[in-house]
Amino acid sequence: DTEVTQTPKHLVMGMTNKKSLKCEQHMGHRAMYWYKQKAKKPPELMFVYSYEKLSINESVPSRFSPECPNSSLLNLHLHALQPEDSALYLCASSQETGSLDNTQYFGPGTRLTVL
Amino acid sequence: AQSVTQLDSQVPVFEEAPVELRCNYSSSVSVYLFWYVQYPNQGLQLLLKYLSGSTLVKGINGFEAEFNKSQTSFHLRKPSVHISDTAEYFCAVTLYNKLIFGAGTRLAVHP
Repeated sequence: DTEVTQTPKHLVMGMTNKKSLKCEQHMGHRAMYWYKQKAKKPPELMFVYSYEKLSINESVPSRFSPECPNSSLLNLHLHALQPEDSALYLCASSQETGSLDNTQYFGPGTRLTVL
Repeated sequence: AQSVTQLDSQVPVFEEAPVELRCNYSSSVSVYLFWYVQYPNQGLQLLLKYLSGSTLVKGINGFEAEFNKSQTSFHLRKPSVHISDTAEYFCAVTLYNKLIFGAGTRLAVHP
């Protein structure tokens, strides 16, 4: 089973709202990732969690706040977003960072629209 | 620094014709290489990967790719495409914890 699930599938929010994106995997993976993908572009890495600790933050604005409550769950808390933050947000997981086979498996994404 | 170049932004092809999507990489160290496919409004699905061993890698949906170290290439091929193969295809290499993606190639299969 190589399934990563994400909820919600779609999200529309105003610039003053607070919302959260959720990601879950049950593959026993110890690394989880958040990506942002704009139309017709490749995914851009935002955050990496390894063994439930934040290991990489790609200089993401603080209006995006990641959280890893346990090894299966990854959240992305959103607050005071801008219209340019509208994008497809993808979650991925892999066995662990630094291993020989660090294949990342992606979820279906959350389509976010900021009004 | 590692980088990935996908030489074609769009590849139009007729159904049942063969196709090759080109990918070149630059790296000063050993790399692991991947091809992902993204159908409209969906996430990325792993097509195939090269970690080590045989340079000819077979993936899902009839796709295969060949790792060529001397030419630093990892081209994706399929002998006969279907309408359902219409999608965006991304080549990627790993650098420690990160996936470095190419810009993507849009494969458009026409009847």
